[in-house]
Amino acid sequence: QSVLTQPTSVSGAPGQRVTISCTGTSSNIGAGYDVHWYQQLPGAAPTLLIYGNNIRPSGVPDRFSGSNSGTSASLAITGLQAEDEADYHCQSYDNSLSGYVFGTGTKVTVL
Amino acid sequence: QVQLVQSGAEVRKPGASVKVSCKASGYTFTKYGITWVRQAPGQGLEWMGWITTYNGNANYAQNLQGRVTMTTDTSTAYMELRSLRSDDTAVYFCARGRSYNLNLLFDFWGQGTLVSVSS
Repeated sequence: QSVLTQPTSVSGAPGQRVTISCTGTSSNIGAGYDVHWYQQLPGAAPTLLIYGNNIRPSGVPDRFSGSNSGTSASLAITGLQAEDEADYHCQSYDNSLSGYVFGTGTKVTVL
Repeated sequence: QVQLVQSGAEVRKPGASVKVSCKASGYTFTKYGITWVRQAPGQGLEWMGWITTYNGNANYAQNLQGRVTMTTDTSTAYMELRSLRSDDTAVYFCARGRSYNLNLLFDFWGQGTLVSVSS
């Protein structure tokens, strides 16, 4: 079971901005553990999209950005493109479970 | 380039065991750990556990303790899951883990292995 909660789906027209929330608790995001984000294209394995809350690995467009505050984190996609249609997952560490946790996952649809 | 190549799809009956392999190449295997993550059909990702490749120490998700074992040899990681149930049907991924600020990030992933459990 996931301890990080994400919206099931978000959608936007090409060029628009969408945001995905990742809500945790005081034992994970609220405890100061970094949040990482992964993109999973249809039928593929996840790939690292954002790490350390807001750092993009080499090759990731600057249309993707991350932030966090308190017990939540957010992923923003600006200038939405058709190729951004995918599932997005947040991930952190939980000290009450002594393990790593993922969000429930969000499907982004480009209208 | 870093690659993680997993073994092929498996079909098992309830109560059986399965062992999935993950062969790493393109980097020094013992410098990074390996994590295992699974994804049931239409569901999100579930972290299963982590093994440090230089000494073989593993820690597992609480809900899988006693049923899962992770091991490694020269450049391959293995995940064995026992007493399989129908809700273990999922795609199983291995991923390279990198330490970052008291956390791990998973920067390279295998292609996934479908394990189907059905009578």
